[in-house]
Amino acid sequence: NAGVTQTPKFQVLKTGQSMTLQCAQDMNHEYMSWYRQDPGMGLRLIHYSVGAGITDQGEVPNGYNVSRSTTEDFPLRLLSAAPSQTSVYFCASSEGDLTEAFFGQGTRLTVV
Amino acid sequence: GNSVTQMEGPVTLSEEAFLTINCTYTATGYPSLFWYVQYPGEGLQLLLKATKADDKGSNKGFEATYRKETTSFHLEKGSVQVSDSAVYFCALSDNDYKLSFGAGTTVTVRA
Repeated sequence: NAGVTQTPKFQVLKTGQSMTLQCAQDMNHEYMSWYRQDPGMGLRLIHYSVGAGITDQGEVPNGYNVSRSTTEDFPLRLLSAAPSQTSVYFCASSEGDLTEAFFGQGTRLTVV
Repeated sequence: GNSVTQMEGPVTLSEEAFLTINCTYTATGYPSLFWYVQYPGEGLQLLLKATKADDKGSNKGFEATYRKETTSFHLEKGSVQVSDSAVYFCALSDNDYKLSFGAGTTVTVRA
């Protein structure tokens, strides 16, 4: 049982480049979300999804897009990377609200 | 809105010392409360949780009690080990599918 799988683990981008962070879960969870982790700020919610075809914005959505075409996958897209997006990104899934969230290993992104 | 405040670190302890990390929250409803732990180079994993007032969550020697009257969920461990060195996050979920996290507390345990 792989749980939540994120790829890549590390990435360096130049300002203005685009990329997609991949996230897949094999637990048939309805709820998936993306967080970014910055020093001294904990984890902040970027986007979330309560099921296939449904997405919504979190606390810090600007500069990021998401889609949820299947239950398993929830990719995060950076359309034009900026240095302010240098961070560690975590994908998480859960069965529902008030339940435990399972996290991926994270993607460390550096934008130069 | 919802928010979580936890004590700032870093915290450095000797092995077998007592650990406590304070956490208080603000929520509009009746949230579930969580402690997550992040070991170096890894993602977050659930340490313990409590879903209603006066519940005590416990795991791996760690405990936390959901105190509605003080809106707190302090984490404690009676005797820490080097392997407990990690970043600890307090979090809440309040019927809205989302987790709100505290800033995290880095704990280092010295042998």
